[in-house]
Amino acid sequence: QLQLQESGPELVKSSETLSLTCTVSGGSISSASYYWAWLRQPPGKGLEWIGSIYYSGRTYDNPSLKSRVTMSVDTSENQFSLNLGSATAADTAVYYCAGSYSSGWNWFHPWGQGTLVTVSS
Amino acid sequence: DIQMTQSPSSLSASVGDRVTITCRASQSISRYVNWYQQKPGKAPELLMFAASSLQSGVPSRFSGDGSGTDFTLTISSLQPEDFVTYYCQQGYGTPYTFGQGTKLEI
Repeated sequence: QLQLQESGPELVKSSETLSLTCTVSGGSISSASYYWAWLRQPPGKGLEWIGSIYYSGRTYDNPSLKSRVTMSVDTSENQFSLNLGSATAADTAVYYCAGSYSSGWNWFHPWGQGTLVTVSS
Repeated sequence: DIQMTQSPSSLSASVGDRVTITCRASQSISRYVNWYQQKPGKAPELLMFAASSLQSGVPSRFSGDGSGTDFTLTISSLQPEDFVTYYCQQGYGTPYTFGQGTKLEI
């Protein structure tokens, strides 16, 4: 059964880069069946899709983040990563990684447990 | 971007009630809607995909319907564990977007 787990700093200084890693277990990140996604949820607010990456390295990201997003895949470690540059307090959120089955319907399942990242000056 | 307008934002109901949550897309998106349930302090979980397909393991009291711009999630007989928050999401095109959420309250 596919499981995902986020890891990374819980506190990031304003203007620095927010970096997170998601470790996939129970399956291969090189599977052609999945995209791998990042989403976030500011405290008390709704969900926002940040971007998705395929094992080949092909990426799709949310234009609202104004090209601050970089994603990568490490097939040897079965991990994928997110870098969000020039972080501000508005980036404070619970960050989730998730699998997105490449069926075309673009749902997100399963999800990691999430990690709260606070951006502070 | 495709906007997903979810209503109501909160809903008071009782155990055993039948409730319906609505999601409206800003443009036609065929059946590319997925629904999630989120319990406090937990990650969202997929309930329904492709508007009306029940995710494995989800109780049959949950059902979805709709196509084009109007979609519904119905819970036929509310159980105590259902009083949490629900989100719709469009998978028609990037950026994938979510509704604002509906919080079910006893």
